[in-house]
Amino acid sequence: RKEVEQDPGPFNVPEGATVAFNCTYSNSASQSFFWYRQDCRKEPKLLMSVYSSGNEDGRFTAQLNRASQYISLLIRDSKLSDSATYLCVVNRGNQFYFGTGTSLTVIP
Amino acid sequence: NAGVTQTPKFRVLKTGQSMTLLCAQDMNHEYMYWYRQDPGMGLRLIHYSVGEGTTAKGEVPDGYNVSRLKKQNFLLGLESAAPSQTSVYFCASRAGGYNEQFFGPGTRLTVL
Repeated sequence: RKEVEQDPGPFNVPEGATVAFNCTYSNSASQSFFWYRQDCRKEPKLLMSVYSSGNEDGRFTAQLNRASQYISLLIRDSKLSDSATYLCVVNRGNQFYFGTGTSLTVIP
Repeated sequence: NAGVTQTPKFRVLKTGQSMTLLCAQDMNHEYMYWYRQDPGMGLRLIHYSVGEGTTAKGEVPDGYNVSRLKKQNFLLGLESAAPSQTSVYFCASRAGGYNEQFFGPGTRLTVL
């Protein structure tokens, strides 16, 4: 079973839409959780860390459910510039485990 | 601060040739990582280091060697390149604890 699983999409949404991405992880000993954004042919960049209490950064909200081993990312009022691949990342010990990414295209 | 830098950005090798990829970070991070990214596979860990002079194997270490002689540098070597090693290679670094990783811009390697 994969360490981290994501729906690959693609998600094609109109500007202004709200879109949600989900991710599950297999190891309950996982310690920290992140969403990264990756633009085409570029390096991944941290979007936000994910905490059990949930956290928000502007239009982005991340949630962690440790009991269900589930992570989510909600993007409100989508912008054209949000078009990218979103990577769910889980840390355990010294290693990080990456989902294959969810592709988002925001359409004018 | 330059953050994490990688050299070279692009490289084409013939099967059996060798090369070294250089990763450098100026953030005084203890941990450094080498990943490869292939279509549909996500990032997979090749080797990592938890400090100067240390290295450890990741998920896909075969065909690669690494060295961390200086804290700021992490080298990835391919002794005898194979077409299966055609990929995009990313280096990352992080401080300890629960901190996130910072990535370099990547090296696009093609092995013919």
